[in-house]
Amino acid sequence: GAVVSQHPSRVICKSGTSVKIECRSLDFQATTMFWYRQFPKKSLMLMATSNEGSKATYEQGVEKDKFLINHASLTLSTLTVTSAHPEDSSFYICSARPKGLAGPYNEQFFGPGTRLTVL
Amino acid sequence: AQSVTQLGSHVSVSEGALVLLRCNYSSSVPPYLFWYVQYPNQGLQLLLKYTSAATLVKGINGFEAEFKKSETSFHLTKPSAHMSDAAEYFCAVSPYSSASKIIFGSGTRLSIRP
Repeated sequence: GAVVSQHPSRVICKSGTSVKIECRSLDFQATTMFWYRQFPKKSLMLMATSNEGSKATYEQGVEKDKFLINHASLTLSTLTVTSAHPEDSSFYICSARPKGLAGPYNEQFFGPGTRLTVL
Repeated sequence: AQSVTQLGSHVSVSEGALVLLRCNYSSSVPPYLFWYVQYPNQGLQLLLKYTSAATLVKGINGFEAEFKKSETSFHLTKPSAHMSDAAEYFCAVSPYSSASKIIFGSGTRLSIRP
């Protein structure tokens, strides 16, 4: 089946530093990847949609200069949290949509998530 | 705009009992509906999906859900709960007009009593 990995699974960093999270589709190509943020005991909030080779589309209220997204290849998207602060601590989950899926219905495969803790 | 509402943030059932997790959607056109499960500190796993084919959808791990347009509901059921079913469950909708997005409900935490 379609597998999506994230690296790292956990990261602890100091306030003011930047952290990069990778999302990879292991056995399929993904033209579109999504980044979600999940607060404790809360639902997933879509942060942005990234398409290979183009700029990411951010949801309303998400700072694009704070959360840099790069989708350089059909199997890799990265999320960089710049100048991280404690309020950025959260569980970040990515998902990937396989290339070639046509029609309005789309399947997304989710990664295992990355827990970011900013001290 | 499409949305989903999950009734009950926490549901507790005894092992072997019926599991019923409620989800209502809001949409002017038939959407695509999903149920996902999330185990602690893990990503999401698709349980089942409704894509305008059969209204009764069977998923993995013995779960099923029925799409009822008249009630705008997509409740998740399982006849007999197992301890391993304890997890967070999310109902989600993918708007027909915006195929790229999945909008999640607030989630329901399912606990299983021995």
